[in-house]
Amino acid sequence: DQQVKQNSPSLSVQEGRISILNCDYTNSMFDYFLWYKKYPAEGPTFLISISSIKDKNEDGRFTVFLNKSAKHLSLHIVPSQPGDSAVYFCAAREANNNDMRFGAGTRLTVKP
Amino acid sequence: AAGVIQSPRHLIKEKRETATLKCYPIPRHDTVYWYQQGPGQDPQFLISFYEKMQSDKGSIPDRFSAQQFSDYHSELNMSSLELGDSALYFCASSLRPRVDGYTFGSGTRLTVV
Repeated sequence: DQQVKQNSPSLSVQEGRISILNCDYTNSMFDYFLWYKKYPAEGPTFLISISSIKDKNEDGRFTVFLNKSAKHLSLHIVPSQPGDSAVYFCAAREANNNDMRFGAGTRLTVKP
Repeated sequence: AAGVIQSPRHLIKEKRETATLKCYPIPRHDTVYWYQQGPGQDPQFLISFYEKMQSDKGSIPDRFSAQQFSDYHSELNMSSLELGDSALYFCASSLRPRVDGYTFGSGTRLTVV
């Protein structure tokens, strides 16, 4: 049962442009959402998170938007840099549960 | 800064053998999580420990067991290995459960032949 879905397996953008990674979820009990970045041969690295009481959280070049009614969140990276090329995982969890559910990941390639 | 350390990095076992994976969390982190990522799949939560007690259980097979020790390191024990157990096993740690994002180790790649 895939509760967190990332429907785009890959995304390619030009350096300096905006990267938008999308994530949909089905479990209305999720109250905390996270984005992780993963380089080859390394574990996922926490990037940014958002609580369900907010609709936007910004950290430098990274902004996460949450649309609870649509059960959709997105990660915006602007401007995109070649070093951002990695696989990005969306994750979510319920309020009182350590079970964090991950999406399948989106491979972002930022071209110089 | 110290990260989450997992050992070994790579492990090759035969079917029906046993394997033990180790995880050393970031100092002062008291919560450890185990994830399994099969080829082409997203990470699946297996089990977590907080203060040496199991705090949550996910899709961990009955053939697997885990524990957290007094120094907060954790071990994942896998018995009667099957070909389908071949995967990347990640450990993550946090300071108290569900505090923001977890810090992941680099993973142990288990290959069952």
